[in-house]
Order: sequence, then C-alpha cells, then structure tokens
Amino acid sequence: DAGVTQSPTHLIKTRGQQVTLRCSPKSGHDTVSWYQQALGQGPQFIFQYYEEEERQRGNFPDRFSGHQFPNYSSELNVNALLLGDSALYLCASSLAGHVSEQFFGPGTRLTVL
Amino acid sequence: QQPVQSPQAVILREGEDAVINCSSSKALYSVHWYRQKHGEAPVFLMILLKGGEQKGHDKISASFNEKKQQSSLYLTASQLSYSGTYFCGTDYSGAGSYQLTFGKGTKLSVIP
Repeated sequence: DAGVTQSPTHLIKTRGQQVTLRCSPKSGHDTVSWYQQALGQGPQFIFQYYEEEERQRGNFPDRFSGHQFPNYSSELNVNALLLGDSALYLCASSLAGHVSEQFFGPGTRLTVL
Repeated sequence: QQPVQSPQAVILREGEDAVINCSSSKALYSVHWYRQKHGEAPVFLMILLKGGEQKGHDKISASFNEKKQQSSLYLTASQLSYSGTYFCGTDYSGAGSYQLTFGKGTKLSVIP
C-alpha cells in the first residue's frame, strides 16, 4: 500500500517564475491538504481539497492555488515566486468524515533564487 | 492562533522520561501529535479529541486537558529512535476536516 507520494523531490526556481507541485494521496483517502514548512518551523496550512474543490484556506495569498483531480490527486501552483517561498511543501491526505490521522508525504523542497 | 509548545528543546539520556506540552489560547477540538526526523516527513503519533481522554502507544502517551486547552505528550524510557522534532497540530474547527495549526516544535535529542 503506497503512502502519500509527492513530486518532484527538489526544485530550484528563480524569482518571478511559476511552479507546480504534485501529490498522490494514500490509497482510500479523498482529502488532500497542503502545508508550507519553513526551516526550523512547524508546517503552515495552505489549503485543503475535497471533491475537487478548495474547502478551506489558510493565510496565503492568491499566488498560491491548487487543484484536485477525480482520482483525488492534487497539484499546488505558486505564481510569481518570491525568495520567501523557499520551503518544504508537504502534502497530507486523510479520509473525510472520519476521525483519523493525516498522512504526510515526503515533501518537495523548493528553492527560489 | 499558533499553539505554544514547551520546552523548545530537550536532551535526554536513553531510558529517561520527557514531557512535551502544547497550549492554546483558543478552544480546541482535537490535538494531533507528530514526530519529524531531519529531512523526513512528519510521522503521525496520535490524535486526542475534546473530552480529556488519554491515549497511549507503547511507551508514548498523551493527555488532553479541555479546561486548560492543553495537551501533553509523555515519552517514557526514551530510546535513541525517539530523537526528532515533535509537533502538536491543533484543530479549532471541529469539522473533522483537520485544518491543523502547528506549533513551532520541540526538538528532542536522546543520547546513549
């Protein structure tokens, strides 16, 4: 049983560029949440997708957008990259309506130069 | 609002015990504990729901004090594998959708 998978593992971009990160949830899960983790900090909630719609959103600008596909996989898009966007981006999956844990993927390390 | 974790860091010798606290100024519906090793994804430890229950798994247990809006993680007879950064994630919505707000983490180092 594959857990949460993310791609790519690492990414280097320059300021102003756009980036797309991908996530496949754990088998049987239908909800995907995205988090940003800066060095030495806890993960910070970006948004959550369920039934192909953004259900909740944290305090992030509109430059951050996402999508969920019918197979529950998800993408995170960041436009007009800033140096401060450099971080580990984590995807977590869960099953809606159940009191159960969120499983995290290994993350994508984004470096903005 | 970000929960406050204490201590920020702790060093233990194998076999010693530790307590990590997570406090919130807002009413909590659930608290989720994770451990993250350097360069790896956070690994789920346990969930505690509103109601003050205590949970345990092997030598790691946790409690949730609803009156104080505080959760504590107890690690007994620590092992080298317990080293890592422990995060509490708090759920304020109660909607079961787990928009978690994480603390800054507690770095635990277990030495021989």
